[in-house]
Amino acid sequence: SQTIHQWPATLVQPVGSPLSLECTVEGTSNPNLYWYRQAAGRGLQLLFYSVGIGQISSEVPQNLSASRPQDRQFILSSKKLLLSDSGFYLCAWGGGFYNEQFFGPGTRLTVL
Amino acid sequence: AQSVTQPDIHITVSEGASLELRCNYSYGATPYLFWYVQSPGQGLQLLLKYFSGDTLVQGIKGFEAEFKRSQSSFNLRKPSVHWSDAAEYFCAVGGNTGNQFYFGTGTSLTVIP
Repeated sequence: SQTIHQWPATLVQPVGSPLSLECTVEGTSNPNLYWYRQAAGRGLQLLFYSVGIGQISSEVPQNLSASRPQDRQFILSSKKLLLSDSGFYLCAWGGGFYNEQFFGPGTRLTVL
Repeated sequence: AQSVTQPDIHITVSEGASLELRCNYSYGATPYLFWYVQSPGQGLQLLLKYFSGDTLVQGIKGFEAEFKRSQSSFNLRKPSVHWSDAAEYFCAVGGNTGNQFYFGTGTSLTVIP
């Protein structure tokens, strides 16, 4: 069966520091991969999606970036964090004809 | 434009009472419809999905949803709510290409004893 991992689970970072969040998927190949952000009390905001290695599409202009160095690895990065980057970050994978999405456990990021 | 509307931001029900969460969608092609549940501090779990066929679909945890094309709706129901159902519920619509997946803003469910 497929599983999706995210780490770290919780992260507290100062403003201006770099960020690297990692997501890996097991049990499937060539998945579509997604990064979402969920601000407190709000819905899901799609940040990036990828349909293959090295293929990244950005949905929202911001100081974040994403990379997909391997088929089942998706990384969310920032060179300098802002206070507004605080939130709950969710990675998801989608596949198959209907492309339903399956979510990881999330990373809680607090920028101070 | 593609979109999902969940008109109820927050709903409170008594334990044992029935539940209906509303979802309306706008999608230019045949929609694939989903309901997800999110417990506090956790990821989203897929409750059920509709692709085609029988318009009443059954999901996990005793939930069901009915697709009504004429009303562009996909409402989630449960006959008897349990305290453990308290969570955030998201409706989503998608197609069969990589980026066509749209979430509603969610409905927060509180269950009172």
